Amino acid sequence: GEDVEQSLFLSVREGDSSVINCTYTDSSSTYLYWYKQEPGAGLQLLTYIFSNMDMKQDQRLTVLLNKKDKHLSLRIADTQTGDSAIYFCAEKGDYKLSFGAGTTVTVRA
Amino acid sequence: EPEVTQTPSHQVTQMGQEVILRCVPISNHLYFYWYRQILGQKVEFLVSFYNNEISEKSEIFDDQFSVERPDGSNFTLKIRSTKLEDSAMYFCASKGQGVYGYTFGSGTRLTVV
Repeated sequence: GEDVEQSLFLSVREGDSSVINCTYTDSSSTYLYWYKQEPGAGLQLLTYIFSNMDMKQDQRLTVLLNKKDKHLSLRIADTQTGDSAIYFCAEKGDYKLSFGAGTTVTVRA
Repeated sequence: EPEVTQTPSHQVTQMGQEVILRCVPISNHLYFYWYRQILGQKVEFLVSFYNNEISEKSEIFDDQFSVERPDGSNFTLKIRSTKLEDSAMYFCASKGQGVYGYTFGSGTRLTVV
């Protein structure tokens, strides 16, 4: 079955880069996703990467995928206070997404 | 930008009562999902729905749960007899054919007392 693991907390200074890491188990996953959840809000799709890609960049966001190690990371450049949130990694199975527990990112001034 | 709409945003119910959580997916989407998130825990898959039938369901989705797409626009989750442990945030999501991203609603916070 699918299992997605993430570190639970990350504290970063405003202006620095944040790197959030994730490992997954299902080698047949075709897509991997990063979602953002602000307090009391829903899940906002940030970005996704197809499993045959190594890297995807979208403005301040860079996703790196190491398929051999089943490791996914999200780098946020120039982290801002508005980036404080919970970030969820998810992998796509046949019919559903499987989520990690979420990494709480706290941006300090 | 198209949105998935969920109502109500917060529902309080007594243990043993039936609740219906409502979702309006994006209009041209074909795949529909319910997830739940117990406070401080993972987002857990409940059920996926396509072509008017359940595609997959998790162990959580037992006989107390049902889903329906009654009128071509709404997608509902019914919990027949709520338990305290059903208290959670319930998220609806939808996805279009050939679309890679899943769009989630803002959730319904269900509190069972």
